[in-house]
Amino acid sequence: DGGITQSPKYLFRKEGQNVTLSCEQNLNHDAMYWYRQDPGQGLRLIYYSQIVNDFQKGDIAEGYSVSREKKESFPLTVTSAQKNPTAFYLCASSPPPGTSGSYEQYFGPGTRLTVT
Amino acid sequence: AQTVTQSQPEMSVQEAETVTLSCTYDTSESNYYLFWYKQPPSRQMILVIRQEAYKQQNATENRFSVNFQKAAKSFSLKISDSQLGDTAMYFCAFTTAYSGAGSYQLTFGKGTKLSVIP
Repeated sequence: DGGITQSPKYLFRKEGQNVTLSCEQNLNHDAMYWYRQDPGQGLRLIYYSQIVNDFQKGDIAEGYSVSREKKESFPLTVTSAQKNPTAFYLCASSPPPGTSGSYEQYFGPGTRLTVT
Repeated sequence: AQTVTQSQPEMSVQEAETVTLSCTYDTSESNYYLFWYKQPPSRQMILVIRQEAYKQQNATENRFSVNFQKAAKSFSLKISDSQLGDTAMYFCAFTTAYSGAGSYQLTFGKGTKLSVIP
C-alpha cells in the first residue's frame, strides 16, 4: 500500500541535542512538506521541497534544517537553535501540478517530539 | 498573504444531529481550492472534502457537505447524522491554483474541536 511513514511516533531528547525526524513516501510524489502543530495554532509550514536536491523555507524555518537527496525521503533536523522544539511534527506530500489530486496533500501519522 | 479563520475553537453535537463548522478566508486570488481536514485523536490528518473555487456547486461527500459562498469568502462544513467517530479536530485549509509553482502550499486555520456526545 502506498503511503507516508514517519518514525518514530514518539521521540525524547535532551535540550541542546540535535534530532532528526524521518519521513518516507512511496507515492511517487515530487513535493514534500514539513509542518509543526502546537495546541491552538493549527499547522505551520517549516520547509517544503518540490524536487530532489531543492527545498525552500516555510513560515517558521528558524532552528530547523532539511535535506532531499532522494525523492522518497525528506528528513527534518531539529537543531539546538530551535527555542521551543517540543511539538507534534507532520510530514506531507503531494502529486505534481496537473495530475489528479495535485492540490491535495497526503499526511503521515506524525512524530511527537519532547525536549527536556 | 492568505489567511484562514475558524472562529469556533470548540463545538459539540448530539449523536445523529447536524452540526455546521465555520471557516472564512481572505485572498485576492480568483482561482483557488478549499479543503476540510479531520484530525481524530490518533492525530492522522484525513481529507474530508474539497471545493474548487471555479465550481458554483457545493461539494458533498456522504454525510459531509460544504456551503461555499465565494463573494463572502466563506466555506462552512456541515456534518449530518453525526457519529461518535466524527469526534476530531477539523481544519479548514486553502491553496491557490497557481500553476507556475511546483507545489501548492496549504494555509490552515487554527481548527475547531468537535465532540459528538452519545
